[in-house]
Amino acid sequence: EVELEESGGALVEPGGSLRLSCVGSGLVFSQAWLSWVRQAPGKGLEWVGRIQPNTEGGTTDVAAPVKGRFTISRDDSKSTMYLQMNSLTVEDTAVYYCATYGSGSFFDWGQGTLVTVSS
Amino acid sequence: QSALTQIASVSGSPGQSITISCTGTSSDVGGYNFVSWYKQHPGKAPKLMISEVNKRPSGISNRFSASKSGNTASLTISGLQAEDEADYYCCSYAGRRLVFGGGTKLTVL
Repeated sequence: EVELEESGGALVEPGGSLRLSCVGSGLVFSQAWLSWVRQAPGKGLEWVGRIQPNTEGGTTDVAAPVKGRFTISRDDSKSTMYLQMNSLTVEDTAVYYCATYGSGSFFDWGQGTLVTVSS
Repeated sequence: QSALTQIASVSGSPGQSITISCTGTSSDVGGYNFVSWYKQHPGKAPKLMISEVNKRPSGISNRFSASKSGNTASLTISGLQAEDEADYYCCSYAGRRLVFGGGTKLTVL
């Protein structure tokens, strides 16, 4: 059974930075396409970005609203994906989920971690 | 980046069938056979119900079916049950990005 666990969510001031982690188990992590999806309070789901396996180039893609501010990376030796978030704004307040990804679908999801951007 | 268009809410009685539509453009829903559907209960993580337009992952009831025509995808739930009450989201690949619908709240009367 695939399990994903996010961590690192916190209260941060506008303009601040935060790094989220997503640890995976029950899968061959190094071969997994992975993604981040967020959900603002009371709102719908929003794709944040994805990362390919390093064996396929390790390329990342991120959504336009976070481009230039958010960076996705992975450390396969730790079965961990990261989301580095800089220049945070109140609009980034959301629960952030990590998920396995393939063929346009998000198969397995973590329980989410809450990021609150507020002064 | 416009979200895909979903009706905000739908309702049905137990045993009935309902259909939720998801309208996009030729750059997303109409351009790729990579439409997926998710079910989400309040405070919980989403769950994949349909992948690649009409494929049910293992363990998903055959009461859930889906299709696509042009720029519109549809999810049909037959034989409605109380446990189907949740929010449902469509999602489409759009060329190196993914776009979600705004979500549909299903109420089982």
